Amino acid sequence: GAVVSQHPSWVICKSGTSVKIECRSLDFQATTMFWYRQFPKQSLMLMATSNEGSKATYEQGVEKDKFLINHASLTLSTLTVTSAHPEDSSFYICSAPPFGQGRDGYTFGSGTRLTVV
Amino acid sequence: GENVEQHPSTLSVQEGDSAVIKCTYSDSASNYFPWYKQELGKRPQLIIDIRSNVGEKKDQRIAVTLNKTAKHFSLHITETQPEDSAVYFCAASINYGQNFVFGPGTRLSVLP
Repeated sequence: GAVVSQHPSWVICKSGTSVKIECRSLDFQATTMFWYRQFPKQSLMLMATSNEGSKATYEQGVEKDKFLINHASLTLSTLTVTSAHPEDSSFYICSAPPFGQGRDGYTFGSGTRLTVV
Repeated sequence: GENVEQHPSTLSVQEGDSAVIKCTYSDSASNYFPWYKQELGKRPQLIIDIRSNVGEKKDQRIAVTLNKTAKHFSLHITETQPEDSAVYFCAASINYGQNFVFGPGTRLSVLP
């Protein structure tokens, strides 16, 4: 089945630094990638939608200059948390929608737990 | 935009009993409704989904029902087992291929 590889699985960084999270589609081409954030014991909230070759679409309230999204190729989408602060600590997870025949649904990455200290 | 509500927020059942989780959605244009199971610190796993042209779908111990008129859909788990313990999220999408709006989740505990 379709696989989205997400790295790193966890990261601890100092306040003020930047962190890059990668999501790669391993056996299919993902023209779109959804980026979600999940706080402890809460639901997944859509942050932005990245589209290969064009600018990402951000949800209301999500700072585009803080959460930089790049979808440079059909197999790679990245989320960079810039100037991270403790309140950015969360579980970030990407998801690729179904594409083409034979795929059995949306594919989630394994998630990245970000802790900003 | 779409708003998805989910009840209950927590649910405890005895092993072997049934569990029912209910969700409502606001956007009548939504036509795809998946259910995800998420264990702590892991990615959501699709367990069942239903499209708006179907009223019910079943897969072994899991079933989903959809009432388009009332804009609600439910997850039914029969003969629950301890490994069913997890957080379950419903979601709605206006089109297969578009982003989901997730419900707030239900923490299911199956007691041995």
